[in-house]
Amino acid sequence: RKEVEQDPGPFNVPEGATVAFNCTYSNSASQSFFWYRQDCRKEPKLLMSVYSSGNEDGRFTAQLNRASQYISLLIRDSKLSDSATYLCVVGKYNNNDMRFGAGTRLTVKP
Amino acid sequence: DTAVSQTPKYLVTQMGNDKSIKCEQNLGHDTMYWYKQDSKKFLKIMFSYNNKELIINETVPNRFSPKSPDKAHLNLHINSLELGDSAVYFCASSQGGSSYEQYFGPGTRLTVT
Repeated sequence: RKEVEQDPGPFNVPEGATVAFNCTYSNSASQSFFWYRQDCRKEPKLLMSVYSSGNEDGRFTAQLNRASQYISLLIRDSKLSDSATYLCVVGKYNNNDMRFGAGTRLTVKP
Repeated sequence: DTAVSQTPKYLVTQMGNDKSIKCEQNLGHDTMYWYKQDSKKFLKIMFSYNNKELIINETVPNRFSPKSPDKAHLNLHINSLELGDSAVYFCASSQGGSSYEQYFGPGTRLTVT
């Protein structure tokens, strides 16, 4: 089993759609959780951290379920500029070890 | 100002050669990383340094040797390059460990022929 698993995708959605990505992680000792975004042929960039209480940043909402070892990302009112690969990232507390999921590709179409 | 820079951006070389990739960060971070992203886009950690000390050394062939002359630099030297080494190599830095955002360099696209 991979340490971090994501929906394989790709997701092709029209502008304005709501899309949800799921991620599961295998190491129950994991303490930090993130969603990164990677555009084609670019470096990954932090989209948002994920907290136990859930957090929202504009059109983006992240949720964490520690019991199920599950992370989600919800994008509302999709824009063309949201087209990218979304990477689920999990780390151990106070440790340099970060594990990336394989990513889920999103294409938002007009 | 570039936060994390890598050189070169592209590297094409033949099997058996030795090459180096340089990374520098001007963010004042104390932790730096090397990642490999293969053709399937899977990003995998290779090494992590904290204050010039090697913290993580994943199962990477010993042909790969990281060197950190100071906190702001983490270079990657690869000996006897193989076809399977072709990938994009990303350097990253963070202030502290895995609880913190990582800032990535633009990547070095290595092609071994």
